[in-house]
Amino acid sequence: DGGITQSPKYLFRKEGQNVTLSCEQNLNHDAMYWYRQDPGQGLRLIYYSQIVNDFQKGDIAEGYSVSREKKESFPLTVTSAQKNPTAFYLCASTPDSLSTDTQYFGPGTRLTVL
Amino acid sequence: AQSVTQLDSQVPVFEEAPVELRCNYSSSVSVYLFWYVQYPNQGLQLLLKYLSGSTLVKGINGFEAEFNKSQTSFHLRKPSVHISDTAEYFCAVTTYSGAGSYQLTFGKGTKLSVIP
Repeated sequence: DGGITQSPKYLFRKEGQNVTLSCEQNLNHDAMYWYRQDPGQGLRLIYYSQIVNDFQKGDIAEGYSVSREKKESFPLTVTSAQKNPTAFYLCASTPDSLSTDTQYFGPGTRLTVL
Repeated sequence: AQSVTQLDSQVPVFEEAPVELRCNYSSSVSVYLFWYVQYPNQGLQLLLKYLSGSTLVKGINGFEAEFNKSQTSFHLRKPSVHISDTAEYFCAVTTYSGAGSYQLTFGKGTKLSVIP
């Protein structure tokens, strides 16, 4: 089955540590996205990539970094510079980066900083 | 910048009753509109979308939404809800942000609780 996988489902981190969240898709989609979800806040865009080896900052990129070395993979690193990293992180993809595209979401990773 | 307002953060409704989840957006210029549903601890999935044509859009699970350009609204409705409809619902709007780019903006979500 085609889809988006995110791992791990739950992640715990000590303050001051960097952590990388995995996102893989086998939908052959060009564009991929990372969102952060906090209770009552909706989804906020962290980074997006329209094509391999290219990515742009979203609305809340500070304290995060990404790479897009392969079409299928778009890992997100939460660095120690992110002041409040505890949140639910969602990865999504679209066939292109068209305005009419449906976003396909992964199941999410819940990150807790201890 | 585009903004999306979901007027109710929580909506409780009895099983088999009708429901309307409200969504308003700030710009009426060339928008595309979406409703997504999120079940607990899962990602989002598309319920329906409006791109053009008929202003009444039908989606999965018996949901429908009506695009109203003059009121800049895209309210979601279902005539009779089921327990399994308990979830969080997000309205989202795409607008052109210049230089060939589009911005997708999500509302803050409405939690629908269906009471047996």
